[in-house]
Amino acid sequence: AQSVTQLGSHVSVSEGALVLLRCNYSSSVPPYLFWYVQYPNQGLQLLLKYTSAATLVKGINGFEAEFKKSETSFHLTKPSAHMSDAAEYFCAVSDPGQAGTALIFGKGTTLSVSS
Amino acid sequence: EPEVTQTPSHQVTQMGQEVILRCVPISNHLYFYWYRQILGQKVEFLVSFYNNEISEKSEIFDDQFSVERPDGSNFTLKIRSTKLEDSAMYFCASKDRDRSTGELFFGEGSRLTVL
Repeated sequence: AQSVTQLGSHVSVSEGALVLLRCNYSSSVPPYLFWYVQYPNQGLQLLLKYTSAATLVKGINGFEAEFKKSETSFHLTKPSAHMSDAAEYFCAVSDPGQAGTALIFGKGTTLSVSS
Repeated sequence: EPEVTQTPSHQVTQMGQEVILRCVPISNHLYFYWYRQILGQKVEFLVSFYNNEISEKSEIFDDQFSVERPDGSNFTLKIRSTKLEDSAMYFCASKDRDRSTGELFFGEGSRLTVL
């Protein structure tokens, strides 16, 4: 069974500081990996995805993530945080061998950005 | 840009009542999903639907739940006899036939409050 673990339920940074949100996955096959963002009272929006092409993936709003097979990680980073980045971030995994397979989400990390 | 739409955005119901949550997936998508997010908790997979039948379901999706695609456009989640613990945000998602992406497109969610 596939799963993801997000280390740290809450991360606080200052505006302009580096953002690092951690995600480790468990999968018996090379997975697809995703980061979704959820702003207050809104749905889930895809930030970026890894689908076995380049290991460094760039997404929207200046975020990027690097797939590291040796570490089974897919950490999300952004060089300089903005106040508007404050949201809930979810890492998710799926099995690319199953066309309709559901995404399995981690517990989420709340990012707070202070001025 | 095509999007997944959900209605109602918020529903309040009495315990024991039946609730139907509606979703209109993106028109050329073939795979449909319902997820649940209890306040402050992770996004949990409920069920996936393909070719007019359930393809996968979680242990949360018990006999109280059912899904239907009654008319080729709507995708509904029915809860037969709601319980207090069914209070949550319910997200519908859809995915196209392309196996190379794995991305799910989510609606804005329907908030269910059971009193």
